[in-house]
Amino acid sequence: SSELTQDPAVSVALGQTVRITCQGDSLRIYFATWYQQKPGQAPVLVIYDKYNRPSGIPARFSGSSSGDTASLTITGAQAEDEADYYCYSRDSSGNHLVFGTGTKVTVL
Amino acid sequence: EVQLVESGGGLVQPGGSLRLSCSASGFIFNTYSMHWVRQAPGKGLECVSAISNNGGATYYADSVKGRFTMSRDNSKNTASLQMRSLRAEDTAVYYCVKGAWFGELESWGQGALVTVSS
Repeated sequence: SSELTQDPAVSVALGQTVRITCQGDSLRIYFATWYQQKPGQAPVLVIYDKYNRPSGIPARFSGSSSGDTASLTITGAQAEDEADYYCYSRDSSGNHLVFGTGTKVTVL
Repeated sequence: EVQLVESGGGLVQPGGSLRLSCSASGFIFNTYSMHWVRQAPGKGLECVSAISNNGGATYYADSVKGRFTMSRDNSKNTASLQMRSLRAEDTAVYYCVKGAWFGELESWGQGALVTVSS
């Protein structure tokens, strides 16, 4: 079972802001990275090293972290942001790589 | 442009073996760690294996340790995953991923489907 817990699903109105959280003890020590996966497609890296965006990722995606929780925020959500989102980091031992349980984001 | 192309997926019986290959291009292969991440049908993601840029270090998830072996050939820009003693629960799409050792997973292939069934 994953040591990184995410809400299974969240919804957001078009143009509004949504925050996706990832909770785990290991996040007090290790950064989380975030991935977006649309149906039938491979995941895409959207945030790394807690808050950095790869080139090509819109500025509406941002990352943050506090204590045992990492967050991915979409400010001004667009229809194309509807997808599954996964956090990724180490487990509490630091020796295993784990993904969060995933959050399905629906844009209304 | 980074390209990662998986091959070798298919149908295999329980207890059987299969070898996945990943052909990489568009970046300096020997400067990046490589990973295999799988996704069972309708389920989440799992990093099953990783190998450092020079092949000197490897990582395996507990679920595959002792059954899967990852390797790379930096002269051919390829990474491989040898899978043995396959089980039904190994059925998944397997993605080849370029990334940082125990860090971000930068670029993903389109995936290869492995089905373990009699």
